[in-house]
Amino acid sequence: QVQLQESGPGLVKPSETLSLTCAVSGYSISSGYYWGWIRQPPGKGLEWIGSIYHSGSTYYNPSLKSRVTISVDTSKNQFSLKLSSVTAADTAVYYCARRYPLHWFDPWGQGTLVTVSS
Amino acid sequence: SYVLTQPPSVSVAPGQTARITCGGNNIGSKSVHWYQQKPGQAPVLVVYDDSDRPSGIPERFSGSNSGNTATLTISRVEAGDEADYYCQVWDSSSDHPDVFGTGTKVTVL
Repeated sequence: QVQLQESGPGLVKPSETLSLTCAVSGYSISSGYYWGWIRQPPGKGLEWIGSIYHSGSTYYNPSLKSRVTISVDTSKNQFSLKLSSVTAADTAVYYCARRYPLHWFDPWGQGTLVTVSS
Repeated sequence: SYVLTQPPSVSVAPGQTARITCGGNNIGSKSVHWYQQKPGQAPVLVVYDDSDRPSGIPERFSGSNSGNTATLTISRVEAGDEADYYCQVWDSSSDHPDVFGTGTKVTVL
């Protein structure tokens, strides 16, 4: 059974870089699939951030592309998200998920709340 | 980028049928996926590829997709179905290929 677990600081200061890691268990990332990050501001809907293939190829939400970097570490079976120059608008629950070749996300991690505040 | 529009809320009595729509330009030409999200929990996939159900999802959940509207149908609604529901598609022609709908809150009366 594939499981994903997000980790990282729950509080980030404005203008700094948000860094999160998603640890994958029950499946080897190097075996395939895309892996994605999705966020949800408090009380709002889901927003796709970006996805990465096990080989390292990426695609990002154009509205965030200039600030986002997603990377993969197959040796640790995890992938990571960096979002630079954060503001209060980046406060959200951040989820990682496996993305199937026909484009749905399953399963999802439990999510981690990141608050941007000084 | 591609836009998916859902009604903000749907109310339904227990035992009745809830229908949640997801509107998009020619969405019938795309594969639509649906997620259920209960308060404080991560989204869970309930329908993929328009009408397929993952293992463990009750048959009461079904999907259809045609024209400009996709629909998630919940039959014989139970109190435990109260949640937010999101549709999602992949738009190959867009620079924003993975798109989520605006979300629908289903309230069981």
